[in-house]
Amino acid sequence: GENVEQHPSTLSVQEGDSAVIKCTYSDSASNYFPWYKQELGKGPQLIIDIRSNVGEKKDQRIAVTLNKTAKHFSLHITETQPEDSAVYFCAGNFNKFYFGSGTKLNVKP
Amino acid sequence: NAGVTQTPKFQVLKTGQSMTLQCAQDMNHEYMSWYRQDPGMGLRLIHYSVGAGITDQGEVPNGYNVSRSTTEDFPLRLLSAAPSQTSVYFCASSYRKLHEQYFGPGTRLTVT
Repeated sequence: GENVEQHPSTLSVQEGDSAVIKCTYSDSASNYFPWYKQELGKGPQLIIDIRSNVGEKKDQRIAVTLNKTAKHFSLHITETQPEDSAVYFCAGNFNKFYFGSGTKLNVKP
Repeated sequence: NAGVTQTPKFQVLKTGQSMTLQCAQDMNHEYMSWYRQDPGMGLRLIHYSVGAGITDQGEVPNGYNVSRSTTEDFPLRLLSAAPSQTSVYFCASSYRKLHEQYFGPGTRLTVT
């Protein structure tokens, strides 16, 4: 199956700093790349998604960039706040959905 | 709207027992799916359905069966539970396949 690699596995930042999470994929083509946030004890929730005909998408403090040639996409969170602390997952639809292994983000007040 | 509901929240099974995890959505979504979440491995797709009467295998389908007789319900059956099936199971639904997936609260399953 498709392999979606996500880095880093843990990320600790100071409140107000930016956080960047990166995902790469191998051979298959995808036309849809969502990012999910999962808080402790809850199901994942979509925070932003991007489709293959768009290189960048922003929603307030969150942005996603996509480089199909290099087969990688990234999540950028600016002006981080303690409530951004959670586990973040990238995903791609390569005929079926494949998720990255997750990044635990800790925002220190 | 209740969104996506899952029952039970917790379950303990003995090896070899069978059970059904229930999933229902009230958003009239066509696409529904089941994932398992294990530590350090993210979410892995078990089975999915693009509409009533249509199901297909995901990344890790072995040991699990599904059916989709109605738009609302998508139960996951474990025919003979094994310790390797100890995991947290999430059901999700979306309007279509390439749209936002709404996840249920999860079922924590332990097989002893």
